[in-house]
Amino acid sequence: GAGVSQSPSNKVTEKGKDVELRCDPISGHTALYWYRQRLGQGLEFLIYFQGNSAPDKSGLPSDRFSAERTGESVSTLTIQRTQQEDSAVYLCASSSGQNTGELFFGEGSRLTVL
Amino acid sequence: AQSVTQLGSHVSVSEGALVLLRCNYSSSVPPYLFWYVQYPNQGLQLLLKYTSAATLVKGINGFEAEFKKSETSFHLTKPSAHMSDAAEYFCAVSVGGTSYGKLTFGQGTILTVHP
Repeated sequence: GAGVSQSPSNKVTEKGKDVELRCDPISGHTALYWYRQRLGQGLEFLIYFQGNSAPDKSGLPSDRFSAERTGESVSTLTIQRTQQEDSAVYLCASSSGQNTGELFFGEGSRLTVL
Repeated sequence: AQSVTQLGSHVSVSEGALVLLRCNYSSSVPPYLFWYVQYPNQGLQLLLKYTSAATLVKGINGFEAEFKKSETSFHLTKPSAHMSDAAEYFCAVSVGGTSYGKLTFGQGTILTVHP
């Protein structure tokens, strides 16, 4: 597709369950980012992948959160043993990897933990 | 460490009036500054960016912002608001280099435009 694609767009789960969120970046983009937006708050950086380099995981809030990326394609964000405070919109963005600062964002996956 | 403060979570203007959305930043190194816009049911879209070149930056849809180091500000303006400008606007900062996309965002300002 032409833009960043995320799925599912909405996910409702019960506390304690695991969830997987998927991001399909723009073709050819080497950099991929995950952000989280909780209600009434700004976006929080979670994790960053750049090519084959080790990911920058400095924003992951706990060890229940993990993410993988296969080469320069799809990424999956996994949240284990979900908690109510994990409820948020999870946004994925990709960029060409050049130092332009322009990130192209997907529409997000809205996660609700009951 | 960086931080961003957007003054005013909601701003309301009349169509044709000046739009001013305020952003102040804190950064221990020369910053890269950005404004992103999020229209209803769409992803965030880059409006404009400052990357240490000209201090007055022009973006899409008639928006511009001025980097003022002495005031640590990067306010967003548009001379005449259109109904289509109604959206949420986010100011963001990064340190550039290999971390240029690792953005610290403000909490956002919802702009409402009245006819």
